[in-house]
Amino acid sequence: DAKTTQPNSMESNEEEPVHLPCNHSTISGTDYIHWYRQLPSQGPEYVIHGLTSNVNNRMASLAIAEDRKSSTLILHRATLRDAAVYYCIFYGGATNKLIFGTGTLLAVQP
Amino acid sequence: DAGVIQSPRHEVTEMGQEVTLRCKPISGHNSLFWYRQTMMRGLELLIYFNNNVPIDDSGMPEDRFSAKMPNASFSTLKIQPSEPRDSAVYFCASSLVGERDEQYFGPGTRLTVT
Repeated sequence: DAKTTQPNSMESNEEEPVHLPCNHSTISGTDYIHWYRQLPSQGPEYVIHGLTSNVNNRMASLAIAEDRKSSTLILHRATLRDAAVYYCIFYGGATNKLIFGTGTLLAVQP
Repeated sequence: DAGVIQSPRHEVTEMGQEVTLRCKPISGHNSLFWYRQTMMRGLELLIYFNNNVPIDDSGMPEDRFSAKMPNASFSTLKIQPSEPRDSAVYFCASSLVGERDEQYFGPGTRLTVT
């Protein structure tokens, strides 16, 4: 199954940018990189996804390395509501299965 | 849209009893997924359906678990008989394949088997 590597936990201060890294060295050419997050006591929530180019949306930005073996989720100004577990997943073209890893627990300090 | 709806939100049952979890996907979505989350194993995909047809049930732990999707607006996950190790939060998610493939998750059902 698809395998990503993320730090177990990270800390940030409120209103500062946060860069959440993810390694996915076994990614294939047709796999999309998806990020989800899970707030306490809630179901996972889609954040962003991309294939090769960097992507921006209202929640975050996704920077994808040129060789696609790593990516970084960027929260431009962390808020207390961004405290969550962030999952990096790659999502194959032949199947629409999401395989969740252990994710990164982000703590945001006021 | 109300989002993905799951019921019940909490279920406490005794070992050996039958448990049925219910899910209503977002209207218009054509894929539905059942996940289970525990502290030990994290978030695991149990089964998913495309256009009401089960596509991959390789994550279903054993024959005690079964899932059905009789129509596009309803799915059930049944455990019979239940065991204490089935205690977990069960999530249902839906998506529209062919679009962004973004999955929308329900609030989950917290199952406790005593």
